[in-house]
Amino acid sequence: LAKTTQPISMDSYEGQEVNITCSHNNIATNDYITWYQQFPSQGPRFIIQGYKTKVTNEVASLFIPADRKSSTLSLPRVSLSDTAVYYCLVGDMSGFQKLVFGTGTRLLVSP
Amino acid sequence: DTGVSQDPRHKITKRGQNVTFRCDPISEHNRLYWYRQTLGQGPEFLTYFQNEAQLEKSRLLSDRFSAERPKGSFSTLEIQRTEQGDSAMYLCASSLVVGSTYEQYFGPGTRLTVT
Repeated sequence: LAKTTQPISMDSYEGQEVNITCSHNNIATNDYITWYQQFPSQGPRFIIQGYKTKVTNEVASLFIPADRKSSTLSLPRVSLSDTAVYYCLVGDMSGFQKLVFGTGTRLLVSP
Repeated sequence: DTGVSQDPRHKITKRGQNVTFRCDPISEHNRLYWYRQTLGQGPEFLTYFQNEAQLEKSRLLSDRFSAERPKGSFSTLEIQRTEQGDSAMYLCASSLVVGSTYEQYFGPGTRLTVT
């Protein structure tokens, strides 16, 4: 499974766009990139998954450059409720049978 | 509520006691996973089932840990002779692999404190 590197923490204010970048230099051809969100005292929640270019859903966008060695999770117009830990995971379908979480990025959104 | 449920939500036990946790996955999901999470760390994989078969166990799962999914529905995780190092959040997740999207649905967890 490819190792990922994320910032330990980020701060933002309500209404701003937040971009969290994940580095995965050793990503393999069959690997997908997946992001999870975790609130305190809750289990992680799937946010978005992608393979290349751009993926968008009702919650976030995921930007993946052509070399796929990094990816950026974009949260538009964050609110206080977006304060959470965000995890970037990389793996192929068999790798996703056992999710490998790093320490994640702690996002703090202030008023 | 049709999400993953776990019981109990909190458990305090004394060192050396046995504890058992239950997980009820989303009903149509055939895969069930157990993870452990300590403070400040991401969840760590422990084991997973496909239907009633336990297909993989992490080296983290010592002989004191046992998991079952007898009828391919709910699962139990038992810890025998608990140690203080077992204090953690125990998370259960379930999934149904469809196409190219792979998503696990997590329960709220059981927080274990060993005194």
